[in-house]
Amino acid sequence: EEQLVQSGAEMKKPGESLKISCKGSGYSFINYWIGWVRQMPGKGLEWMGIIYPSDSDTRYSPSFQGQVTISADKSINTAYLQWSSLKASDTATYYCARFGGSSGWYSGFDIWGQGTMVTVSS
Amino acid sequence: DIQMTQSPSSLSASVGDRVTITCRASQTISGYLNWYQQKPGKAPKLLIYDVSSLQSGVPSRFSGSGSGTDFTLTISSLQPEDFATYHCQQSYSSPRTFGQGTKLEIK
Repeated sequence: EEQLVQSGAEMKKPGESLKISCKGSGYSFINYWIGWVRQMPGKGLEWMGIIYPSDSDTRYSPSFQGQVTISADKSINTAYLQWSSLKASDTATYYCARFGGSSGWYSGFDIWGQGTMVTVSS
Repeated sequence: DIQMTQSPSSLSASVGDRVTITCRASQTISGYLNWYQQKPGKAPKLLIYDVSSLQSGVPSRFSGSGSGTDFTLTISSLQPEDFATYHCQQSYSSPRTFGQGTKLEIK
């Protein structure tokens, strides 16, 4: 079964760092892009950025550039999203999702992780 | 960034109704428009890609149409499991922006 499995929920304080993960299985991880999507409580979906694990080519939304870092380790089929200094406004559920492969560059996100809820509160 | 605007933001309908949700892009996005369904506490699920192509396993009561900047998602006969939030997304250019979502509720 093709799937993405994300790390568990996190509770952090403002100013702390965090790295969450997204592990792919059941498909060729290096042949698909992985994207990260934010969903703040009760709100819509926001596209944060993408990475191609094969060569770590990374693209960010201008809204998130400099605020987060997206990375991947193709040896363990895992992508990451990290913050160096969290703010209360980072409280949200974060999803990873894949696109590309045989569906091509313009395809939608066809497989999603289950989401990681991040709560930042003092 | 390309802005995606969905309408309505919320909609009440009954089982068996035909429902249409609209998505408008701030500039042309060619044929690169996707629709997702999201249920509470769950990840989104891809329903339709490339404007009108049905993702594998998605019931045929879902259909998509449109071109250029204006697109629609139609559910031909609502089923109880269709009550959810629907999101459009353009995959024409980065950032691949989403609409604000349309919440479909039971009347």
